[in-house]
Amino acid sequence: GIQVEQSPPDLILQEGANSTLRCNFSDSVNNLQWFHQNPWGQLINLFYIPSGTKQNGRLSATTVATERYSLLYISSSQTTDSGVYFCAVRTGANNLFFGTGTRLTVIP
Amino acid sequence: DGGITQSPKYLFRKEGQNVTLSCEQNLNHDAMYWYRQDPGQGLRLIYYSQIVNDFQKGDIAEGYSVSREKKESFPLTVTSAQKNPTAFYLCASRLRDSSTDTQYFGPGTRLTVL
Repeated sequence: GIQVEQSPPDLILQEGANSTLRCNFSDSVNNLQWFHQNPWGQLINLFYIPSGTKQNGRLSATTVATERYSLLYISSSQTTDSGVYFCAVRTGANNLFFGTGTRLTVIP
Repeated sequence: DGGITQSPKYLFRKEGQNVTLSCEQNLNHDAMYWYRQDPGQGLRLIYYSQIVNDFQKGDIAEGYSVSREKKESFPLTVTSAQKNPTAFYLCASRLRDSSTDTQYFGPGTRLTVL
C-alpha cells in the first residue's frame, strides 16, 4: 500500500513560536486530511486538503499533489496545540492510510 | 448534539473472553470505520461499512467481527482469536459531498486484556 511519512517525529516549541510539519506520500492521492489527536485521544479533523492551500485561524495547510507532499503550519503556538498531528491519505479505494504522526509539545 | 459516541471509555477483559465495543452516530453518514491504534503508532483499519448490511475487511481484520444492522450503529467484537487485543480503538464515520471527503472520529475505547 501507499507509504505515508511524517516529519519531524517529535517537536518541542516555546509558546508563541511557529512550526511546520511535513507529510510525504508515495503515490497519487485523491484525499488528504490532517488531524490533531489531543492528550485524551480524541482525533479532530483540521483540514481536508487534497491540493492547494487552506487556512483556519492560526493553522494553515498546503498540499502539492504533483510533488507528493503536504505541509501543516502552526503559527503563534499555544499549549493547547500540544498533541499528535496525523496526516492521512486515500488513493481511490476506501482505505484512509495514516502516517505515524508528529508529536508536538508546546511549553509555556 | 450531532456526533459519534463510543462506549465504554475503558474496558478490561480477561484472556479468552469476547468483548463488544459500541459505536453510534447521529450524523446520518452512510460509511463507518473501525481503527486500532497502538502506542506511538498511527491508525490501522480493522473493518469498514459503506452501507447497512454490508461491511468489508480492512488491513488487520483477523480476530475481529462487526455488524451493521442499522445506519446509526457499527459495533465491533474483539474475539478470543485476537492475539494481542490491548489497544485504543477508534470509530469513525465519513462525510462525502461535492466539497469535502472527511472522516469524523468518536472519543475511543481503551481495551486492556488482563
